[in-house]
Amino acid sequence: KAGVTQTPRYLIKTRGQQVTLSCSPISGHRSVSWYQQTPGQGLQFLFEYFSETQRNKGNFPGRFSGRQFSNSRSEMNVSTLELGDSALYLCASSQGTTGSTDTQYFGPGTRLTVL
Amino acid sequence: AQSVTQLGSHVSVSEGALVLLRCNYSSSVPPYLFWYVQYPNQGLQLLLKYTTGATLVKGINGFEAEFKKSETSFHLTKPSAHMSDAAEYFCAVRTFGGTSYGKLTFGQGTILTVHP
Repeated sequence: KAGVTQTPRYLIKTRGQQVTLSCSPISGHRSVSWYQQTPGQGLQFLFEYFSETQRNKGNFPGRFSGRQFSNSRSEMNVSTLELGDSALYLCASSQGTTGSTDTQYFGPGTRLTVL
Repeated sequence: AQSVTQLGSHVSVSEGALVLLRCNYSSSVPPYLFWYVQYPNQGLQLLLKYTTGATLVKGINGFEAEFKKSETSFHLTKPSAHMSDAAEYFCAVRTFGGTSYGKLTFGQGTILTVHP
């Protein structure tokens, strides 16, 4: 099976712009979670989508949003970019069940730099 | 709410020496515990996980971890370090249901350096 793919791998934007990142999960996985990784704050949970519905959300401002399509692919959007949004954005896919077999598998990440 | 503490942001060992990376968790319900590894400019790779059953779990690349409920610990070990083990390691905890859907809570990470 192909792994989790994220596009683009690298992005450079300027303050005030908006950006959209894409994540394609492992085939058959219905859950996609997004994380932000920074040197100062570490890995922080943004949100999770399952069957096109957001089931959980972390403590991030409303500038961070996401969606999921019927084929389970997910996008996250950050509007009005700030310098502090520079980070590695990781998505993870899983089956989305509540059982012990549910494990998250991560993509390579998108490195966003805000100038 | 759950939390994870990794003791030691940097660990340095010699090639062939024992690797021990410490992880303590806090959770109000039985947790599922994970170790992930991250190589530079890459995503996270699952090393091993504990869900239920046997408390000593074996993972990839010779790593293993033991779940100790009484100590709320899930330390990662490898008997003999290899140069290729140099990376950053993350311990994570997950519970299910309620507001925990799809959410892993990570420790701050431990950078492992392996000296020849």
